[in-house]
Amino acid sequence: EAQVTQNPRYLITVTGKKLTVTCSQNMNHEYMSWYRQDPGLGLRQIYYSMNVEVTDKGDVPEGYKVSRKEKRNFPLILESPSPNQTSLYFCASYETQSMSYTFGSGTRLTVV
Amino acid sequence: GDSVTQMEGPVTLSEEAFLTINCTYTATGYPSLFWYVQYPGEGLQLLLKATKADDKGSNKGFEATYRKETTSFHLEKGSVQVSDSAVYFCALDYNQGGKLIFGQGTELSVKP
Repeated sequence: EAQVTQNPRYLITVTGKKLTVTCSQNMNHEYMSWYRQDPGLGLRQIYYSMNVEVTDKGDVPEGYKVSRKEKRNFPLILESPSPNQTSLYFCASYETQSMSYTFGSGTRLTVV
Repeated sequence: GDSVTQMEGPVTLSEEAFLTINCTYTATGYPSLFWYVQYPGEGLQLLLKATKADDKGSNKGFEATYRKETTSFHLEKGSVQVSDSAVYFCALDYNQGGKLIFGQGTELSVKP
């Protein structure tokens, strides 16, 4: 089954403790991206990647890092999480032929 | 810059009522327009899309028409069901895989 898999689904952590949210897709898509969803703001892009080793900032990149060492994986790294990064995070991949996005199920992160 | 504005929610309807969720956009070019749906506790699913002016996207009884003259892409359904209760997001992109720009989302609650 074609899918984007994020882990974990839920995470509660403390301020300053480094964490990684993983994202993996099995569709051989070149484009992948991370979004955060906050009430009243919709989804905003954090980072995106056009291919292996090619990444670029989205609208809200501060406090986040990404890497793209393999085509299938696009982890989101929070080196020193803060409470304002409490949010619902989605990973997505994009298929150029059909011009469509596939989203993961989301990771709900709480930073206390 | 480009942006998407949706009507504020929550929208509460009785089963079999007519639904309209307004969406307007600001774009510098000629984007594709999308409606995504998010059921409780789940990720985003593509509901419908339109790639050029006057195109009508439709799926599961929902439809929306790409109106360039009014820069709108309003979502409609003739008879809603309880199972349609979800958050609906309007979005645009330029088919380059880089970024979806989302509206703030509209929560729909359908009562039996």
